[in-house]
This record gives sequence, C-alpha cells and structure tokens, in this order.
Amino acid sequence: ETGVTQSPTHLIKTRGQQVTLRCSSQSGHNTVSWYQQALGQGPQFIFQYYREEENGRGNFPPRFSGLQFPNYSSELNVNALELDDSALYLCASSVPLDGGNEQYFGPGTRLTVT
Amino acid sequence: AQRVTQPEKLLSVFKGAPVELKCNYSYSGSPELFWYVQYSRQRLQLLLRHISRESIKGFTADLNKGETSFHLKKPFAQEEDSAMYYCALKGGGSNYKLTFGKGTLLTVNP
Repeated sequence: ETGVTQSPTHLIKTRGQQVTLRCSSQSGHNTVSWYQQALGQGPQFIFQYYREEENGRGNFPPRFSGLQFPNYSSELNVNALELDDSALYLCASSVPLDGGNEQYFGPGTRLTVT
Repeated sequence: AQRVTQPEKLLSVFKGAPVELKCNYSYSGSPELFWYVQYSRQRLQLLLRHISRESIKGFTADLNKGETSFHLKKPFAQEEDSAMYYCALKGGGSNYKLTFGKGTLLTVNP
C-alpha cells in the first residue's frame, strides 16, 4: 500500500508569483484535504476535495484554489503569493466513513516566499 | 465555530512519570475528537480517536463534554513518547474538516 506523497519537498518563490503543489493520495482514498501549517502553529484547513468536487473550505482567500483528478490525486494552486504564505503545506487523504475517519498525511511541501 | 486549545506549548517530564497533555475545545454540536502525533522527522499520524475508546501506546483520552476537554494521558512516560502532539476536532455532517490546536511538544527525559 502506497502512502500519501507530495511534491516538491521544498520550494522558494518570489512575492507575486504563482505556485502549484501536488499530492498523490493513498491507494483507495477518494478524499483529499489540504492544510497550511505556519511555524509554531497547528495545521489549518484550507479545503477538501471528494470525488473531484470541493467539499468544504476554510478561511482562505480565493487565490488559494485546488483540483482533484479522476485518480484522486490533487493540486493546490496559490496565486499572487504573499510573504505570509510561507509555510508547510500538508495534504491528507481519507475514505469518508461514518464516525471518525482517519486522515493520512503526506510529508508536506515547505514553501518559502521571499 | 470550531476551536481547539492546547494551553501548554512545551511539557517536560521524566521517564516513568505520568503525563497529561491538555486539550479543550469549543463546538456547538457533537464533535469528534482526535489526537495526532508527529515524531521527529516523521509525518503527522493519528494516535487515537475518542469514538474508538482505545488505548494506543499506553495513551488514553476521555471526552468530557461537560468540561469540553479531551486530555491525553499516559501513566508512565517513555523516552520514545517524545514528540509533538496535536489535538484535533471534526465537526458534524459530511464536512471532514479537522480543526487542530497549536500543539504541545512533549519531552521525556531519561
């Protein structure tokens, strides 16, 4: 069974640029969630995709957008990067079940905006 | 609104001592509570969830709806328990958003 993978591992961008982060979900998982983890903070929910549709969104501006593909892999796109977007971006996959589904996290992509 | 508070940023205990990591939450409905753990150089992983009422690696956590708490406890800490611990809450319905606390870094000294 393959775990959640993310690419790239690290990324450095300049303010105003655009970035795309990628996530491959664990085999058999059709739900992908994205989180932003700033230094010293817990992960903060950005949005979730279920069967290629957005299934909930956190308190992030529209310049944060996503996609989920038929194979359930996913992308997180961030436009007009700001310095505060510097963070670890985590992807988590899961299978929706009633009562306490487990989310399996990837290793994250460290984004630095200069 | 969902909120999770972990009041201790750092917690240091000696091996064999009891440990309790505190977690309080705010949610108007019936929440599901989780503890996630991140060991050094490893990814975030689920430790336990209140619904299953299980004990993992000697850790237990009881949901106290009256006090809106979900504290994580272990009677005898081990050095390998040193890690970052996050309490998380999932609201009801079909939205599987997890709201995390800021985390507590547990250090178990020899």
